[in-house]
Amino acid sequence: EAGVAQSPRYKIIEKRQSVAFWCNPISGHATLYWYQQILGQGPKLLIQFQNNGVVDDSQLPKDRFSAERLKGVDSTLKIQPAKLEDSAVYLCASSLVFSGPGANVLTFGAGSRLTVL
Amino acid sequence: GQSLEQPSEVTAVEGAIVQINCTYQTSGFYGLSWYQQHDGGAPTFLSYNALDGLEETGRFSSFLSRSDSYGYLLLQELQMKDSASYFCAVKGTNAGKSTFGDGTTLTVKP
Repeated sequence: EAGVAQSPRYKIIEKRQSVAFWCNPISGHATLYWYQQILGQGPKLLIQFQNNGVVDDSQLPKDRFSAERLKGVDSTLKIQPAKLEDSAVYLCASSLVFSGPGANVLTFGAGSRLTVL
Repeated sequence: GQSLEQPSEVTAVEGAIVQINCTYQTSGFYGLSWYQQHDGGAPTFLSYNALDGLEETGRFSSFLSRSDSYGYLLLQELQMKDSASYFCAVKGTNAGKSTFGDGTTLTVKP
């Protein structure tokens, strides 16, 4: 079974520039998550999709962050304009189902490390 | 909302047993999960507790007490490769959102 694919692995940009991250979850996984992990902290949920609908985006800074999951498969997270404090690893994860025991097993991608200068 | 507390660092020697505690506050609760993350790597799922008691998976065990809002991860026969960060995560009833703690860095010494 292929894992969660993410790209790019690394990105360096100047503040006020824009950046986009891509995620392809495990085939058949209905739920997709984007987490932000700042160095030394735990992953913080930005947005959660169930198929192609948003379940939770309460912690997504909507003035600069946007995300979509077209056709309920892969997803893109965009930041525009970037700020210094956006420097972090952006982790994509997926789970087979939204509720029940399987929903508690999140499979993470390797992450996209963003540095904002 | 949801919040979790776990120690920031734990050190132990090879072959020993170590326990990493996690206390949580949440308005709704489905269960408590544990993840391992090596430096530069992705978090990987270790275990999940929905009900009170102990769940055992090889050298790793996880315990939950819902009445105490408390859980722990027990690692036995420690190996050098167990040096990593360990995160507890609570799955709440609000959209089934999983909230992670800030992690415990485990250092295993020879």
